[in-house]
Amino acid sequence: GAVVSQHPSRVICKSGTSVKIECRSLDFQATTMFWYRQFPKQSLMLMATSNEGSKATYEQGVEKDKFLINHASLTLSTLTVTSAHPEDSSFYICSARESRVMNTEAFFGQGTRLTVV
Amino acid sequence: AQKITQTQPGMFVQEKEAVTLDCTYDTSDQSYGLFWYKQPSSGEMIFLIYQGSYDEQNATEGRYSLNFQKARKSANLVISASQLGDSAMYFCAMREGRSGNTPLVFGKGTRLSVIA
Repeated sequence: GAVVSQHPSRVICKSGTSVKIECRSLDFQATTMFWYRQFPKQSLMLMATSNEGSKATYEQGVEKDKFLINHASLTLSTLTVTSAHPEDSSFYICSARESRVMNTEAFFGQGTRLTVV
Repeated sequence: AQKITQTQPGMFVQEKEAVTLDCTYDTSDQSYGLFWYKQPSSGEMIFLIYQGSYDEQNATEGRYSLNFQKARKSANLVISASQLGDSAMYFCAMREGRSGNTPLVFGKGTRLSVIA
């Protein structure tokens, strides 16, 4: 099946620094990718929709200047957490769907566990 | 109103027994898709099964089947012959419309524990 690769799987960073998370579709093209955030023992909450070649669409309450999304190609979307703070510590996971195939499942990356100290 | 409701925070099942995980949904769209994902402690999201709103037959994938009752807006997951490796969080999700640009909306999940 289709594979989505997310990197890094774990990252620890100091407060005030920025962290970049990559999401790649390995064997299919994805014009749209989605970024989710999951706090411990909670569900996945959509942060933003990443669109290739255009600006991302952010959900209400998600700071676009803090969570920068770039979808520069049909196989790569990046999420940069800028000026990270301890409250940004969470599990971030991306998903992608094959562009031309309807009614297919979204494939998820392995997720990134971010810890800000 | 919540789009996806999973009313069982936790469930226990004996190994080799069947278990049903409940999911109800809310949408005014005629076209939508329903999904179940398994999330083990590692965090990865593993796709289990899909049911389209126009599908007349209940979806089945190996030991997984989806009990789709459209009029009741329910899409319960049935796991037959439970195995210890089935212990995980299970999320029901919905995509509304037919566009690939709509994201999945998830329920709060059910933690399944399989007992030997």
